[in-house]
Amino acid sequence: GQQVMQIPQYQHVQEGEDFTTYCNSSTTLSNIQWYKQRPGGHPVFLIQLVKSGEVKKQKRLTFQFGEAKKNSSLHITATQTTDVGTYFCAGFSGSARQLTFGSGTQLTVLP
Amino acid sequence: EPEVTQTPSHQVTQMGQEVILRCVPISNHLYFYWYRQILGQKVEFLVSFYNNEISEKSEIFDDQFSVERPDGSNFTLKIRSTKLEDSAMYFCASSVGYSGQPQHFGDGTRLSIL
Repeated sequence: GQQVMQIPQYQHVQEGEDFTTYCNSSTTLSNIQWYKQRPGGHPVFLIQLVKSGEVKKQKRLTFQFGEAKKNSSLHITATQTTDVGTYFCAGFSGSARQLTFGSGTQLTVLP
Repeated sequence: EPEVTQTPSHQVTQMGQEVILRCVPISNHLYFYWYRQILGQKVEFLVSFYNNEISEKSEIFDDQFSVERPDGSNFTLKIRSTKLEDSAMYFCASSVGYSGQPQHFGDGTRLSIL
């Protein structure tokens, strides 16, 4: 079945440093979504990427979808303590017809 | 902003007992989902539901699990005979359109099986 791998599993950064998490799918995706889960919270939708090579920005967050629509990345510039949480990618393919979550990257931002 | 609501927030049950987890999806959403997250692990898809029937289900969603939309607002997940390994956070989610669209998650029900 469809698998979505995500690295790294954990990342500790000093406030102000950049952060990147990478996501790879075993199959070509129709779209990829990114969610953020704060400690003790629920996943909150951040963004959806649909087109090959697509790049979207939300303030300090930059999301990319690979040309082959099998990989994606999330980059945060100049992290803040409010960025703390686990970032999940979630891939959707027409064949699987379900959202498959990556294992997540837990971000800790040290003040 | 409309949100998905789940009850109870925490459910403690003896192994072998039946549990029902409840969800009220966002009112104009048509697709409903249940996910499971074992502590510290990833979010796992259980089932999707559309037009009063199951759309997709995962291998986790075996005969012990069932879903129902008993009325116009509630969406329930029933586990018939709970096992210790069913202990997890269960999230309900909903989306306006098909599964590929952004999903809105509830706060979850923490299920503890003793």
